[in-house]
Amino acid sequence: QVQLVESGGGLVKPGGSLRLSCETSGFTFSDFYMSWIRQAPGKGPEWVSYISSTSSTISYADSVKGRFTISRDNAKSSVFLQMSSLTAEDTAVYYCARVRGFLDPWGQGTLVTVSS
Amino acid sequence: EIVLTQSPGTLSLSPGERATLSCRANQSVTNGDFAWYQQKAGQSPQLLIHGASRRATGIPDRFSGSGSWRDCTLTISRLEPEDFAVYYCQQYGTSPWTFGQGTKVEMK
Repeated sequence: QVQLVESGGGLVKPGGSLRLSCETSGFTFSDFYMSWIRQAPGKGPEWVSYISSTSSTISYADSVKGRFTISRDNAKSSVFLQMSSLTAEDTAVYYCARVRGFLDPWGQGTLVTVSS
Repeated sequence: EIVLTQSPGTLSLSPGERATLSCRANQSVTNGDFAWYQQKAGQSPQLLIHGASRRATGIPDRFSGSGSWRDCTLTISRLEPEDFAVYYCQQYGTSPWTFGQGTKVEMK
């Protein structure tokens, strides 16, 4: 079955950096775009970034552009999100998801808390 | 960006009743590319509907979707106890992909 498992979240100080990972299994990873979505406490989801199957096409939400970098390793069936210059507004559960136009499935998420 | 507005914010219904959830975009969504997701407490969102009206694999047929270029609707024909959750619409026709603020379906 298709599985996505995020890791790398935690508590980080404002201005700090964090790298999230999403390990996948159960499908041909190199055939799909992948995406990161976040959800702040009590809020709806917010799309963050996507990356094409060959990494040739990448897009970011304006709220993270210039601070976050998405990447992937097709040999390891994994996608990553490097986050820097973090602020309290980046506090959220971060999910990775397989892109089929729509997002399906989603991982269980990893919590990122930005606080001093 | 395309802003999606969901209504109502909260729907209070009893098991067996029909639920109708709406999602309106402030501009046309390319190809009517709307999706609906269900999120239960402490869980990640799960795809229910894509392409405005196509049920995802394994989703019961009590869930149905309809829509056009600017509006979509999710209908749950007869609420089961496990259907009480938050529902989000999403448009993936135009970047940036955007989500509605959610409709909570709660037990009356």
